[in-house]
Amino acid sequence: QVQLVQSGAEVVKPGASAKVSCTASGYTFTTYDINWVRLAPGQGLEWVGWMRPDSGTTDYAQKFQGRITITRDTSISTSFMELTNLSPDDTAVYYCGVSAASGIDYWGQGTLITVSS
Amino acid sequence: NFILTQPHSVSESPGKTVSFSCTRSSGAIASNYVQWYQQRPGSSPTTLIYEYKQRPSGVPDRFSGSIDTSSNSASLTISGLKTEDEGVYYCQSYYGNTMIFGGGTKLTVL
Repeated sequence: QVQLVQSGAEVVKPGASAKVSCTASGYTFTTYDINWVRLAPGQGLEWVGWMRPDSGTTDYAQKFQGRITITRDTSISTSFMELTNLSPDDTAVYYCGVSAASGIDYWGQGTLITVSS
Repeated sequence: NFILTQPHSVSESPGKTVSFSCTRSSGAIASNYVQWYQQRPGSSPTTLIYEYKQRPSGVPDRFSGSIDTSSNSASLTISGLKTEDEGVYYCQSYYGNTMIFGGGTKLTVL
């Protein structure tokens, strides 16, 4: 079965960067698109960005342009989401998700990024 | 771009039926697939409906999706409510490659 395992929680200082990994199993990694979504305290789900693993093509939400990079290492079936110049407003649980059809079909367990001095 | 508007909260009793709306601000609701997700506190979202009305395997048929072009909205209906259905329900659609989420509806079953 499809499983997505994300890296552990991080506490980072304002202005620093955070990099979250998402390791896939149970399917061929390059078959399905990967989306990144976050849930900030008191807020709703927010789309962060997307990657097509076979080509490495990416697209990012406009509000994160210039601060976000999504990459992948196909040899280890892993996608990475790096967000730079973090502020306390970026404190959130970040999820990766796989899209086999429309939307997200399988979700990772989430990674809490806390931005605090 | 467009906005998906959902009611903030809904309450209903166990055993009853409840429906959530998701209204698209511009462009036709039928022009891009709509999905529905459930998120319980402390858990990852789970997918309830994809492509307006399709249920992933394992999702009970108590959950159903539809669209109404006259109101430019999608709806999620849950019948035979259970206390375990409590959580936040999000609709989601697309603008190009961009995923657009509604603000979420908090369901209380009491």
